Amino acid sequence: DVVLTQTPLSSPVTLGQPASISCRSTQSLVHDDGNTYLSWLQQRPGQPPRLLIYKISNRFSGVPDRFSGSGAGTDFTLKISRVEAEDVGLYYCMQVTQFPVRYTFGQGTKLEIK
Amino acid sequence: QVQLVESGGGLVKPGGSLRLSCATSGFTFSDYYMSWIRQAPGKGLEWISYISSSGNTIYYADSVKGRFTISRDNAMNSLFLQMNSLRAEDTAVYYCASSGMDVWGQGTTVTVSS
Repeated sequence: DVVLTQTPLSSPVTLGQPASISCRSTQSLVHDDGNTYLSWLQQRPGQPPRLLIYKISNRFSGVPDRFSGSGAGTDFTLKISRVEAEDVGLYYCMQVTQFPVRYTFGQGTKLEIK
Repeated sequence: QVQLVESGGGLVKPGGSLRLSCATSGFTFSDYYMSWIRQAPGKGLEWISYISSSGNTIYYADSVKGRFTISRDNAMNSLFLQMNSLRAEDTAVYYCASSGMDVWGQGTTVTVSS
């Protein structure tokens, strides 16, 4: 089974400064169709998760452009160019395998303001 | 406006059963595959079940296989999760989510305790 490992698990950041979260997979996430179904989700305190990024680097509708995703194969990164107060919360990377369908989440990274 | 609303959670004794519902609106439900995901108190996200748009293809996480049953009623725009033989470790907030986790409900809380 695919295991996703996120680092760091906690990230204190100064407002206006950048933040970066890494997600490493135990195996390549490239599917037979050539796509890599690696997503990033944000969970603000007391809220359900919200999709930020899909297929490595595509921002979901309404997501600010200060969020960006990159990576390939087994190593992926979520970057926030300038952290704002509303960005506080947990961030999860997520992948899906097909046939059979299995979704796997990273353990989560807590973003907090210094 | 796309909306997912879960219901049916509550307090149940170990070995008991619950049926969760997810009422949807704002999109063509019958065109989308759906999933249930849960989050134990203070823990990360765990995918537990997937159902295709037609309902013909279903997958479960090993942790719930044989105890939980996912289903859908496309005429009623609703998703369901029948949970039997509940255990303390099933205590969690249960979310329904559409497609590639792009829309989530607010969640419903299930507590399994004697």
